[in-house]
Amino acid sequence: SQTIHQWPATLVQPVGSPLSLECTVEGTSNPNLYWYRQAAGRGLQLLFYSVGIGQISSEVPQNLSASRPQDRQFILSSKKLLLSDSGFYLCAWSVLVDQPQHFGDGTRLSIL
Amino acid sequence: SQQGEEDPQALSIQEGENATMNCSYKTSINNLQWYRQNSGRGLVHLILIRSNEREKHSGRLRVTLDTSKKSSSLLITASRAADTASYFCATDRDSGAGSYQLTFGKGTKLSVIP
Repeated sequence: SQTIHQWPATLVQPVGSPLSLECTVEGTSNPNLYWYRQAAGRGLQLLFYSVGIGQISSEVPQNLSASRPQDRQFILSSKKLLLSDSGFYLCAWSVLVDQPQHFGDGTRLSIL
Repeated sequence: SQQGEEDPQALSIQEGENATMNCSYKTSINNLQWYRQNSGRGLVHLILIRSNEREKHSGRLRVTLDTSKKSSSLLITASRAADTASYFCATDRDSGAGSYQLTFGKGTKLSVIP
């Protein structure tokens, strides 16, 4: 069966520090991968999606970047965090773009 | 801009009652999905309904879709305390070059009181 792992679960970082969040999927090949951010009490905002290794599409211009160095690995990064980067970050995968998405348990990021 | 908008924003019911949540959207869709999120956790997919379908069932869940009104509803029958969660609808949108992505609403927060 397929599983998705996302870590860390919580992270507290100072303003201006770098960020690296990792997401890996097991049990499937060539998944579509997604990074979302969820503000408190809000819906999900799609940040990045990838349909293959090295293929990244950005939905919202911002302080973040994403990379897909391996088929089932998706990394969210920042060189310098801003206060506005605080939030709940969720990684997800799907077989096809019009199929259900399967989410990890998220990373709660707090910027101080 | 938000494609799907859930209504109500919050709903509180007694255990055993039915819960109905609605979702409205603005542009044409290929499919609409409902997800559930327990507090502090990731989303869990519940049901996907395609634009040529009008109703779908899964256990105690019933989803309807009215493309003429651009709306969908999620009915949870015989609710349980464990159904307490936020429920989101998600619609697909054309993000260019034939690629479709999901747009999520802000969700309905359901509280089921034992």
